[in-house]
Amino acid sequence: GAVVSQHPSRVICKSGTSVKIECRSLDFQATTMFWYRQFPKQSLMLMATSNEGSKATYEQGVEKDKFLINHASLTLSTLTVTSAHPEDSSFYICSARDSRTVRGEQYFGPGTRLTVT
Amino acid sequence: AQKITQTQPGMFVQEKEAVTLDCTYDTSDPSYGLFWYKQPSSGEMIFLIYQGSYDQQNATEGRYSLNFQKARKSANLVISASQLGDSAMYFCAMREATDKLIFGTGTRLQVFP
Repeated sequence: GAVVSQHPSRVICKSGTSVKIECRSLDFQATTMFWYRQFPKQSLMLMATSNEGSKATYEQGVEKDKFLINHASLTLSTLTVTSAHPEDSSFYICSARDSRTVRGEQYFGPGTRLTVT
Repeated sequence: AQKITQTQPGMFVQEKEAVTLDCTYDTSDPSYGLFWYKQPSSGEMIFLIYQGSYDQQNATEGRYSLNFQKARKSANLVISASQLGDSAMYFCAMREATDKLIFGTGTRLQVFP
């Protein structure tokens, strides 16, 4: 299967600071990556679709100025949480769509646990 | 309306037994894909199995099989010969034409000896 890495795995930051999370597809190129947020004991909620070379598409209710997404290359997408607040504390997971296969399954990174103090 | 419904918040199964995790979906797109993912306590999402809406046969991947009943809009996951390592959250998801995955609320499976 395809491998997606995510860095950092855990981060603690102070309220008001910004945090950048990286998502990389290691052995395949991904023109499309996705960013999800997951609260404890809940399902994954799609935040935005990241497209290489173009602007991200945000889901309703997600502040694009707060969650900046940059898909700089075919293997890298970044999510920056700007001016983080305690309510932004969550588990953030990225995925990359494997366009090599007909079914185009999404492979997920291991996730980043963000704690804002 | 919920697009993906998983009605079992938790399930228990004894080791070596089979278990079925339920999933129903709602879509008007003729072309869609159904996925099952496993999420252990570490948090990673592990792809298990895929079923395309036009696939004639039920998908199988090792101990995992998908009981696809298109008319009923159900895509239940069957795990045969359960192992202790199968204990995890299981999510059903659907992909429509937009390419986005919509997840169900998940089922926590616990396998006991």
